[in-house]
Amino acid sequence: DAGVIQSPRHEVTEMGQEVTLRCKPISGHNSLFWYRQTMMRGLELLIYFNNNVPIDDSGMPEDRFSAKMPNASFSTLKIQPSEPRDSAVYFCASSLASFNEKLFFGSGTQLSVL
Amino acid sequence: QKEVEQNSGPLSVPEGAIASLNCTYSDRVSQSFFWYRQYSGKSPELIMSIYSNGDKEDGRFTAQLNKASQYVSLLIRDSQPSDSATYLCAVTGQAGTALIFGKGTTLSVSS
Repeated sequence: DAGVIQSPRHEVTEMGQEVTLRCKPISGHNSLFWYRQTMMRGLELLIYFNNNVPIDDSGMPEDRFSAKMPNASFSTLKIQPSEPRDSAVYFCASSLASFNEKLFFGSGTQLSVL
Repeated sequence: QKEVEQNSGPLSVPEGAIASLNCTYSDRVSQSFFWYRQYSGKSPELIMSIYSNGDKEDGRFTAQLNKASQYVSLLIRDSQPSDSATYLCAVTGQAGTALIFGKGTTLSVSS
C-alpha cells in the first residue's frame, strides 16, 4: 500500500494567491483528517471527514479555508486568499471507520506564504 | 476548549537510561490515548495506544494511564540515540470526535 499521498510536498506562494493542497487517503479508510502544524501551536485539527461527509470543521481558522472530499479517494484543502500566517506544514491523515483507530499520516505539505 | 499539555523539553537522557514523558488532558470524558513519535522533518507515527487505567507494555515502551488524575505517560527503557524525536500525546473524547494532540516533548538521547 502506498500510504497517504499528499501533494505538493512544498509550496511557496505570495500573499493573496490561492493555494490548493491535495490528499489521497489509504484505500478502504473511511475517515480523513486535515491537520496543520506550527512551532507555536503544534498539531491542530482543521477538519475531518467520515465517509466523505464533513463531521467537524470547527478547527478551520476562517472563511479563507475550505475543504472538500468529492469521493473516497481524494480530498482538497484550499486557502483563498493566502496570508503569511498560513505558513505551516499541513498534514492529511486517514484511518479506518472508528475515530479511535490509528491515524496514518501523509508526508505533509510545507507551505510558505511570502 | 479541550487541551492536552506536555512539557516541550528538550528532555535529555544518556543512552541506556529510562526516558519518562508526561501528558495531562483537560476533558474528563476522554476515552482513548495515544503516543505518536515524530522525527524531525517527518510525519507523526503511532507507537502506543492505551484505553484503560494502568500500564501497557510493548517492547521497550510502556504507556501508563491514570484517568482520575487525567494523566498519561510514556516510559522508554534502554533509550537509544534512534529514539531522539518529538513525542506527541494525543487524546480523543466521546465517539465521533477526532484526536487532539499536545505540542510534543522533544527527547534527545546522547551516546
